[in-house]
Amino acid sequence: KQEVTQIPAALSVPEGENLVLNCSFTDSAIYNLQWFRQDPGKGLTSLLLIQSSQREQTSGRLNASLDKSSGRSTLYIAASQPGDSATYLCAVIAHQAGTALIFGKGTTLSVSS
Amino acid sequence: EPEVTQTPSHQVTQMGQEVILRCVPISNHLYFYWYRQILGQKVEFLVSFYNNEISEKSEIFDDQFSVERPDGSNFTLKIRSTKLEDSAMYFCASSAPYRDGYTFGSGTRLTVV
Repeated sequence: KQEVTQIPAALSVPEGENLVLNCSFTDSAIYNLQWFRQDPGKGLTSLLLIQSSQREQTSGRLNASLDKSSGRSTLYIAASQPGDSATYLCAVIAHQAGTALIFGKGTTLSVSS
Repeated sequence: EPEVTQTPSHQVTQMGQEVILRCVPISNHLYFYWYRQILGQKVEFLVSFYNNEISEKSEIFDDQFSVERPDGSNFTLKIRSTKLEDSAMYFCASSAPYRDGYTFGSGTRLTVV
């Protein structure tokens, strides 16, 4: 059964710092991996989608990488800002699970000014 | 950018009552989903809907839950007899899952008292 783990669970950094959020999954047989942002009490905003054949995707200050064989993805945030404070969720579509997304518990990021 | 719309944003209901949560998915998506997130926990898959029928469901989606696409635009989740443990944020999503990933709505916070 596919499991998704995100480390660390929480992270506090000063404004301007570059940071990396980690996501690991137990079964490398995935279709794709998607990173989301969730603000407190709000919905999920898609940040980046990486297909299983891709190694990375970039959007502005965000860069996500995927190493399917080792079951890992990272989300790199450059020059962090207070507005980046949120919970970041990683989710995969696994071959065994049809089209359902399997989520990690998230990393809660706090960026102080 | 296309959005998934959910109503209501908040609902309070008495234990044992029926509730219907409503969603308008993105019009050219073919897969529709309900997920839930109990406070402090992971986002969990409930059910997927494709071609006017349930294509996958989780263990959580028992006989008290049902889904329907009553017309060409709406997608609903019905909870027949609510329990205290049904209190959660319920998210609707639609997707072209293997190509474009998921788009989530902003959620309905259900509180059962």
